Amino acid sequence: KNQVEQSPQSLIILEGKNCTLQCNYTVSPFSNLRWYKQDTGRGPVSLTIMTFSENTKSNGRYTATLDADTKQSSLHITASQLSDSASYICVVSEINYQLIWGAGTKLIIKP
Amino acid sequence: EAGVVQSPRYKIIEKKQPVAFWCNPISGHNTLYWYRQNLGQGPELLIRYENEEAVDDSQLPKDRFSAERLKGVDSTLKIQPAELGDSAVYLCASSWDPTGELFFGEGSRLTVL
Repeated sequence: KNQVEQSPQSLIILEGKNCTLQCNYTVSPFSNLRWYKQDTGRGPVSLTIMTFSENTKSNGRYTATLDADTKQSSLHITASQLSDSASYICVVSEINYQLIWGAGTKLIIKP
Repeated sequence: EAGVVQSPRYKIIEKKQPVAFWCNPISGHNTLYWYRQNLGQGPELLIRYENEEAVDDSQLPKDRFSAERLKGVDSTLKIQPAELGDSAVYLCASSWDPTGELFFGEGSRLTVL
């Protein structure tokens, strides 16, 4: 069964610090890998979409990397802000357009 | 441009009662999704539409859940009768096509007592 696993489950860091969230997947083949940010009580918002041939993609202070050989992706957040407190969800799209969602990493930024 | 609009935002009902959720996708988006999300988990797909055709409803509990997308625009998700385990957030999303970025609504939080 295709799976997407994220780590850590939760993370607390101080404002201004950097952090990296991990995503391991077993989906193969896949068409793209996505990262979403979900604020509490809101719907997910897309941060990045990477095809299998892309290694990195940035969106402001967010940088996603993809290693298709090891089936790993990471989301790096630079100079964290209080507004970065949210859940970050990794999603892998199968060739047939089915999306496999991870459970997310809950990130808390403390002042 | 208006985003995906869902209603109601919150609904509290007694078990065995019916409930319906409505979704208006972004104009021009052909693909529409209904997801269910439980606390601390990622969204689970209930149904995906391409225009008015349900192309993936394999995870929709068809004994009590139904959905429709008339004229390929707005969509309604219905639960009848609701059970305690149906308490969750129901998310609607739309995209230009199944390969594209998903845009989500704010969700409808259902509490079944």
